[in-house]
Amino acid sequence: QQPVQSPQAVILREGEDAVINCSSSKALYSVHWYRQKHGEAPVFLMILLKGGEQKGHEKISASFNEKKQQSSLYLTASQLSYSGTYFCGTELVNDYKLSFGAGTTVTVRA
Amino acid sequence: DSGVTQTPKHLITATGQRVTLRCSPRSGDLSVYWYQQSLDQGLQFLIHYYNGEERAKGNILERFSAQQFPDLHSELNLSSLELGDSALYFCASSEGQLSNTGELFFGEGSRLTVL
Repeated sequence: QQPVQSPQAVILREGEDAVINCSSSKALYSVHWYRQKHGEAPVFLMILLKGGEQKGHEKISASFNEKKQQSSLYLTASQLSYSGTYFCGTELVNDYKLSFGAGTTVTVRA
Repeated sequence: DSGVTQTPKHLITATGQRVTLRCSPRSGDLSVYWYQQSLDQGLQFLIHYYNGEERAKGNILERFSAQQFPDLHSELNLSSLELGDSALYFCASSEGQLSNTGELFFGEGSRLTVL
């Protein structure tokens, strides 16, 4: 079951903030966020686990609401390098697969 | 460079043909995942192998099959190809299984064009 992402696209000026949302109709074990730049492979941003643990190595924050099966990715003080398509991936309990949403295309302009 | 190697990078073939895409995971990674990305589309999960065993299957067509070998490399076989199979096929690897290790490392992809 693929998660639903919103918005489909967002255009920002450098320094502006944005929020990307991801929701699932099923109970989630974890939510993963990836960014893909045009013509490149997706790159890991962050994982949020049931119970609150987070693992990530970028200056981008996210939240996971376990009760609502929703996650949000926060792009703060956006930089030109933030441009790309952001995908959320969801993992169900004992499912062993990561299903990605349709993606949110972020364009940051100078 | 993610450390995941996919070959070939580009492949052009005709409808009805069969192709094999190959993936070498990062050294030490036991899990391999295959994804299909059509033009301007999201990432569709195909299949996940862990240490040689199939762990999860997505909406993979019956014309597609995959396996992971003892040396942990994986192959995705696509047969009776149709125009709609044209896509970028990504392989990703991870040390363990998803949440235990978190990050998937994606290869550069194999771009398949069916004419």
